[in-house]
Amino acid sequence: SAVISQKPSRDICQRGTSLTIQCQVDSQVTMMFWYRQQPGQSLTLIATANQGSEATYESGFVIDKFPISRPNLTFSTLTVSNMSPEDSSIYLCSGTTESTDTQYFGPGTRLTVL
Amino acid sequence: QKEVEQDPGPLSVPEGAIVSLNCTYSNSAFQYFMWYRQYSRKGPELLMYTYSSGNKEDGRFTAQVDKSSKYISLFIRDSQPSDSATYLCASSSGNTPLVFGKGTRLSVIA
Repeated sequence: SAVISQKPSRDICQRGTSLTIQCQVDSQVTMMFWYRQQPGQSLTLIATANQGSEATYESGFVIDKFPISRPNLTFSTLTVSNMSPEDSSIYLCSGTTESTDTQYFGPGTRLTVL
Repeated sequence: QKEVEQDPGPLSVPEGAIVSLNCTYSNSAFQYFMWYRQYSRKGPELLMYTYSSGNKEDGRFTAQVDKSSKYISLFIRDSQPSDSATYLCASSSGNTPLVFGKGTRLSVIA
């Protein structure tokens, strides 16, 4: 299994600002993903974080709004840029270990935009 | 049609009941099936993992996959108040992101 941590665990931000969320995994993972979960909803995939190259974004999500980095196999960041209240959500990092296809999740970052 | 369909509930049962949670999926390429449990204000926690068809049992939890009918089930025996959470089913074809159901909110009443 993999243990995934995220920082910050929560934040309250002003409209128009940006927040970078960090994701750290305790072991190497083959794939890392970023999800968004709005209140009472399921998980929506934002993008796949690719090591050393640009992330692969899902429909409806763009790099200018959600720039992602993954400099190595155990670390990734997601930035929520030029925030608006609609960006208020829980942002979750997940990873797939090399030995299995199971995905493990971090505890999430609860973002509130005022 | 969404690739993974799940009744969001809520589902409320008395303590000790057998709980049945279900999902259907449409993508025949799906080979991996998972159930996650998510407590309020926490990240999803992997509960059960099944590859292809069949049953898998772990303590009070049993996961079933019927690929012929594209049906995924999770059974919880002797349910406890601590089982109260949202349960998410998820599937993938392998080395691809999971596709999640909406989640079913379960309450087990003491």
